[in-house]
Formats: sequence, structure tokens, C-alpha cells
Amino acid sequence: ETGVTQTPRHLVMGMTNKKSLKCEQHLGHNAMYWYKQSAKKPLELMFVYNFKEQTENNSVPSRFSPECPNSSHLFLHLHTLQPEDSALYLCASSQDLQTSYGYTFGSGTRLTVV
Amino acid sequence: QKEVEQDPGPLSVPEGAIVSLNCTYSNSAFQYFMWYRQYSRKGPELLMYTYSSGNKEDGRFTAQVDKSSKYISLFIRDSQPSDSATYLCAMSGNGQNFVFGPGTRLSVLP
Repeated sequence: ETGVTQTPRHLVMGMTNKKSLKCEQHLGHNAMYWYKQSAKKPLELMFVYNFKEQTENNSVPSRFSPECPNSSHLFLHLHTLQPEDSALYLCASSQDLQTSYGYTFGSGTRLTVV
Repeated sequence: QKEVEQDPGPLSVPEGAIVSLNCTYSNSAFQYFMWYRQYSRKGPELLMYTYSSGNKEDGRFTAQVDKSSKYISLFIRDSQPSDSATYLCAMSGNGQNFVFGPGTRLSVLP
């Protein structure tokens, strides 16, 4: 089992709904990330947190709102999404922002917006 | 031009074959390189991490970097059906904010 746990695994939501994705890591890592993975496209970095402070927001629409209450937990709050937001959302962590050991990814949340 | 390019495949090979997976990139500042394997319905898992040019070997896997050609490769020897997955390359100039390729889907046939 991966050291990064994401819930839920699958989510179907209407465009007017509000939902949240959860990520948890107990690896003692200081940096956490949200990525979007769409079919046949590269992983898109969305947000980066280091010691629970946001360090990067890659021009992500405001309908995606991250929250990092501590170094072990990361949330992605979703509201008024569009069908094109349907994708696999991956959480990852690394020891530090500059990593020599790569990222540890969760299994992702498969999001479908209807 | 995309920053990192990979042949999407699918690449189908018989069991036992040597597999070559490749990425090209345009940013000459990249010097940190990673290869990830992603099984269906799973997140990517790190296979290899290399710095600068040269080769690195780990079991059946060899990562090769040619910075002069802006080209990296992952070789899999004695490929197994369990190697069937999507392989992602990733690269960075400073060890942070890695840029990922779109992935190559590999199918190893028994």
C-alpha cells in the first residue's frame, strides 16, 4: 500500500455540487502536491505546499481551492466544476521541495463532472 | 514545441524482449531526470532517478541520459507481462517542479 492515501477513489459530481478530495501521508515528508492527469496529456502541476504553506499555484481556476492544515494532510475543495475538469487527481509528497528521491504518489481520485 | 515529448504508444513487445522507452526535451537547463511506472488505476511509482548525463542501472532497468541530444531512455531487459504499464519521464533544472511527459503505454505479451 502506498504511503500516500487519497479518498475517495471515485467521485461523480454535478456542476453545481461542492465536494472535497482528501490526501494523507505519514512518510514525514514536508512537501505535498496536487496534480491533474487527463488522458494522453502530461501530469499538470496544480498546487504545491511546503511545511503547509502554499508555494505554487499554477494558474488554477478558483473553482479549485486547496487547503493544507498540516504537513500530513492536503485537501482539494471543488465547486461549480465544468465537464472538462473530469480527470484523475493525484496527490504526491516529497521529503523537501528539492528532492533527490522523487515523489510518492497516491492512487488518485477519478473525478467525473456531469 | 512541447517541453517534454514521449511516443504515446501503445508499444507491444513479446515477453523477454528488450524494451526501449524514450523522451526528448527542449530545455537545455534540465539536469535531473526521473522515470515513473504507472499501472492502471494506480498512481505513478518512481523507478529511476538520475542526475546529469550517463547511465544508471537497477536490476533489469537502465536509465540513460544524453544531454547533448536532449534525449533520455529507459531500457527494460527480459521484459515481463508485469512490466505492462504506462511509463512517464520527468525532468527538472533544479530538482524541483519536475515537468512530466505524457507517458508511453507498454504492453508485454506472454
